[in-house]
Amino acid sequence: GAGVSQTPSNKVTEKGKYVELRCDPISGHTALYWYRQSLGQGPEFLIYFQGTGAADDSGLPNDRFFAVRPEGSVSTLKIQRTERGDSAVYLCASSRTGTGGNIGELFFGEGSRLTVL
Amino acid sequence: TQLLEQSPQFLSIQEGENLTVYCNSSSVFSSLQWYRQEPGEGPVLLVTVVTGGEVKKLKRLTFQFGDARKDSSLHITAAQPGDTGLYLCAGARAGNMLTFGGGTRLMVKP
Repeated sequence: GAGVSQTPSNKVTEKGKYVELRCDPISGHTALYWYRQSLGQGPEFLIYFQGTGAADDSGLPNDRFFAVRPEGSVSTLKIQRTERGDSAVYLCASSRTGTGGNIGELFFGEGSRLTVL
Repeated sequence: TQLLEQSPQFLSIQEGENLTVYCNSSSVFSSLQWYRQEPGEGPVLLVTVVTGGEVKKLKRLTFQFGDARKDSSLHITAAQPGDTGLYLCAGARAGNMLTFGGGTRLMVKP
């Protein structure tokens, strides 16, 4: 596809369950970002990949959150033992640039809305 | 405490009015971006400003980057209902991490 694709678009789960959210970036984009957005707030940075490696994971709130990008394209955000406070829209973005210089344009997906009951 | 503070948080105006949204920080950024987000969608880039004091115009939108590269403003002239949305500023620092402000929710009534 032409844009960033995120699946599922909506996920409802019970407290304590494991969840995976998938992001398919724009082809050729080396940089990939995960953000979390709560209602009425700006996106909160979680993790940034440059290629296959996590260049900055300082935004991950705790060790229940983990993300991978094994082949430098698709990324999966994994949340263990979900809590009600994890409920939010999880946004993925990709960009061409990612090394030095000025940051390029981030292209966002429509997000995955996670609801933890 | 947000690294980037946006004000106002909410703004409701009539079509044809002018408005300014502010984005302030105590940190210096290598560049600053403004995005617009509509419900159910991801943010979409409006502009990137890089140089202190830089002014960029995009039709009825004027963006300014502060001389010290710590703050920015977005001015909209003659607002239209189609301008309704969430406006987000985002600052970039070393390591290519982009930090977003809390957003300004704008509603333009016809």
